[in-house]
Amino acid sequence: EAGVAQSPRYKIIEKRQSVAFWCNPISGHATLYWYQQILGQGPKLLIQFQNNGVVDDSQLPKDRFSAERLKGVDSTLKIQPAKLEDSAVYLCASSSGSAYNEQFFGPGTRLTVL
Amino acid sequence: AQSVTQPDIHITVSEGASLELRCNYSYGATPYLFWYVQSPGQGLQLLLKYFSGDTLVQGIKGFEAEFKRSQSSFNLRKPSVHWSDAAEYFCAVGADSNYQLIWGAGTKLIIKP
Repeated sequence: EAGVAQSPRYKIIEKRQSVAFWCNPISGHATLYWYQQILGQGPKLLIQFQNNGVVDDSQLPKDRFSAERLKGVDSTLKIQPAKLEDSAVYLCASSSGSAYNEQFFGPGTRLTVL
Repeated sequence: AQSVTQPDIHITVSEGASLELRCNYSYGATPYLFWYVQSPGQGLQLLLKYFSGDTLVQGIKGFEAEFKRSQSSFNLRKPSVHWSDAAEYFCAVGADSNYQLIWGAGTKLIIKP
């Protein structure tokens, strides 16, 4: 079974530039999460999808971050414009169903904003 | 609101020695508790989880954890660590809504040869 795929693995941009991350969850997983993990901290949920609908985006800075999962499969997370404090690892995870099922994580995208 | 505290930022253990990583949670009812491991260059992986029942839960890779309600703790243990156990370990508690997880800050495990 293929795992959660993310790309790119690394990205370096300058502040005020834009960047996009892509995630392909495990086939058949309805729930998809995007997390932000700042160095020395645990993952912080940015947005949760159930199929192609948003379940929770209360912690997504909507003035600069956006995410979509148009066909209920893969997803993109965009930052525009980026700030220095956006430097972090962006993790994508997926799970089946809507209970406390195991979340499967991708390897993450390490973003550095200069 | 729920919260998770992992008091140790990093722990150093000799290979073959026993390990205990601490996790304390704040939650009014019976919590859903998880331990995940993040190895270098790899995604987070579930080690074990506690929902109810037996308070000692077994996980993968020889890990176990014990839920102690009186101490609001869910400590992770392993009787004998291997160099491959060097990683960062995260404790998490289930949030009230949408089956989300509240994560601790993690404990980095360093293995001495």
